[in-house]
Amino acid sequence: EAQVTQNPRYLITVTGKKLTVTCSQNMNHEYMSWYRQDPGLGLRQIYYSMNVEVTDKGDVPEGYKVSRKEKRNFPLILESPSPNQTSLYFCASSLIQRGSPQFFGPGTRLTVL
Amino acid sequence: AQSVSQHNHHVILSEAASLELGCNYSYGGTVNLFWYVQYPGQHLQLLLKYFSGDPLVKGIKGFEAEFIKSKFSFNLRKPSVQWSDTAEYFCAVNMIKAAGNKLTFGGGTRVLVKP
Repeated sequence: EAQVTQNPRYLITVTGKKLTVTCSQNMNHEYMSWYRQDPGLGLRQIYYSMNVEVTDKGDVPEGYKVSRKEKRNFPLILESPSPNQTSLYFCASSLIQRGSPQFFGPGTRLTVL
Repeated sequence: AQSVSQHNHHVILSEAASLELGCNYSYGGTVNLFWYVQYPGQHLQLLLKYFSGDPLVKGIKGFEAEFIKSKFSFNLRKPSVQWSDTAEYFCAVNMIKAAGNKLTFGGGTRVLVKP
């Protein structure tokens, strides 16, 4: 089954404790992206990647890092989480062609105390 | 900066009522347009998309949307909603100048359909 998976689905942590949210897709998509969803703001792009070892900032990259060592994986790293990073995070993937529909993961609800 | 606006944050209606959700974007270039739906507790799913051609596009579950270029709008419609249409709906735009396949999302509209 074609899918995007994320882990963990739920995470409660404390300020400053490094964490990683994993994302994996099995559709051989070149383009992968991380979004955060906050009430009334919709989804905002954090980082994206157009292929292995090619990553770039989205609209709200502060406090986040990513890597793309393999085509299928695109982990999101919070080196020193802060309460304003409490949010619902979605990973998405698609073909590289502009306008290709993006497939979303199930989401990770992160709470930073 | 380019943006996407959804006019209503919350909509409450009864089953069988008609639904129309507004979406406007501020970008003068070529766009690809999408509506995504997020059912309670689930991830986003694609409802429909517009790239070119007929400005009236039909999607899944009886939804349709009309692209009006002169109004920079892409409104979503359904003639008769069901309780199962309760969800949050997001308009998204891929702008030709954007890097790769970036989507810019509206703020979302929460729709509650009362049985």
